[in-house]
Amino acid sequence: AQSVTQLGSHVSVSEGALVLLRCNYSSSVPPYLFWYVQYPNQGLQLLLKYTTGATLVKGINGFEAEFKKSETSFHLTKPSAHMSDAAEYFCAVSYQGAQKLVFGQGTRLTINP
Amino acid sequence: DGGITQSPKYLFRKEGQNVTLSCEQNLNHDAMYWYRQDPGQGLRLIYYSQIVNDFQKGDIAEGYSVSREKKESFPLTVTSAQKNPTAFYLCATRQGTYEQYFGPGTRLTVT
Repeated sequence: AQSVTQLGSHVSVSEGALVLLRCNYSSSVPPYLFWYVQYPNQGLQLLLKYTTGATLVKGINGFEAEFKKSETSFHLTKPSAHMSDAAEYFCAVSYQGAQKLVFGQGTRLTINP
Repeated sequence: DGGITQSPKYLFRKEGQNVTLSCEQNLNHDAMYWYRQDPGQGLRLIYYSQIVNDFQKGDIAEGYSVSREKKESFPLTVTSAQKNPTAFYLCATRQGTYEQYFGPGTRLTVT
């Protein structure tokens, strides 16, 4: 069975500071990993994904994530936070042939001016 | 313009009434999903469908029903048997093995 743990239900950073949102997964097969962002009262938007190949993946809005198999992690980072980054972020895992995604509980990111 | 449409954005119903939430897609994706989201919680899978005329229960199917008569449409009915129907409902699609694409959501309030 697969699972996802997002450490910290709420993260607060200052504008211009580094954003680091943590995601650890459990999977018995090679994982496919995803980060989604959700703004209030909207659907989820895909930020980035890892399936195979390069372990450092770049996404939209300046975000990137690195797949670290030894640490079973897929942390999301952005060098400099912007006010518009305030949202909820979800990490998700699946695998080849999977019909479903398994989501973490989400991390709410707050940006302080 | 390709995408996923969920209507209406906000829906209000009285307790004891069934209500149907619409989800339409023109992405030509095979798989469609319904999720429920409650404040401060993650997404919980209600039902999903891989092909027309076939669907499977998710983790919280009790009190809900679906149909998949057309590839483009996957309506969700919230029945009076659902104990706590007030929530944000999200529809998603998928093609292939990879990511899901989400609609804008419908916020259902039952009083």
